[in-house]
Amino acid sequence: EDKVVQSPLSLVVHEGDTVTLNCSYEVTNFRSLLWYKQEKKAPTFLFMLTSSGIEKKSGRLSSILDKKELFSILNITATQTGDSAVYLCAVERNTDKLIFGTGTRLQVFP
Amino acid sequence: NAGVTQTPKFRVLKTGQSMTLLCAQDMNHEYMYWYRQDPGMGLRLIHYSVGEGTTAKGEVPDGYNVSRLKKQNFLLGLESAAPSQTSVYFCASSLDSTYGYTFGSGTRLTVV
Repeated sequence: EDKVVQSPLSLVVHEGDTVTLNCSYEVTNFRSLLWYKQEKKAPTFLFMLTSSGIEKKSGRLSSILDKKELFSILNITATQTGDSAVYLCAVERNTDKLIFGTGTRLQVFP
Repeated sequence: NAGVTQTPKFRVLKTGQSMTLLCAQDMNHEYMYWYRQDPGMGLRLIHYSVGEGTTAKGEVPDGYNVSRLKKQNFLLGLESAAPSQTSVYFCASSLDSTYGYTFGSGTRLTVV
């Protein structure tokens, strides 16, 4: 059965800390892995990863995929209170359907 | 450019009632999806559509029906609502895989 597992489930840090969120997967017909940030409303797109070892970066956020070990990490450096959210990892199969993990809830305190 | 719009935003139903959730996108996307989000379960795919006039089942289709009569609209119907269908429902659309999916703001449905 296809599955996407995120860890940790919850994380509490102080502003300025660096965090690493993990996503492992067992999915047939893998096409890409996506990261989303979900605050109060809809998930917003962060990254799409299709190739191993190529880091994607956007400001303080970065992500990388390891297709051999079947995982991805999302790093956030110098965290801010605005980074508080649920971070969702999803894997897209060739059938164009996403399988989501349960998310990591990040809380950043001043 | 509104993106993906879901209506209504909130709804309370009694067990056995029926309703339709509307998803509209103005980005000319081919693919549209309905997900439900429950605590500890992440987002789960209910039904999806790869183009006007097509629909297909996702992971948790039972108790729901969908229609895609127009490319821009994807309707999710609950035939006879049950408390187990209390959830937040998200619609999403995608042009292709290159840019990821665009989500609507969600509909919070409570079935009592």
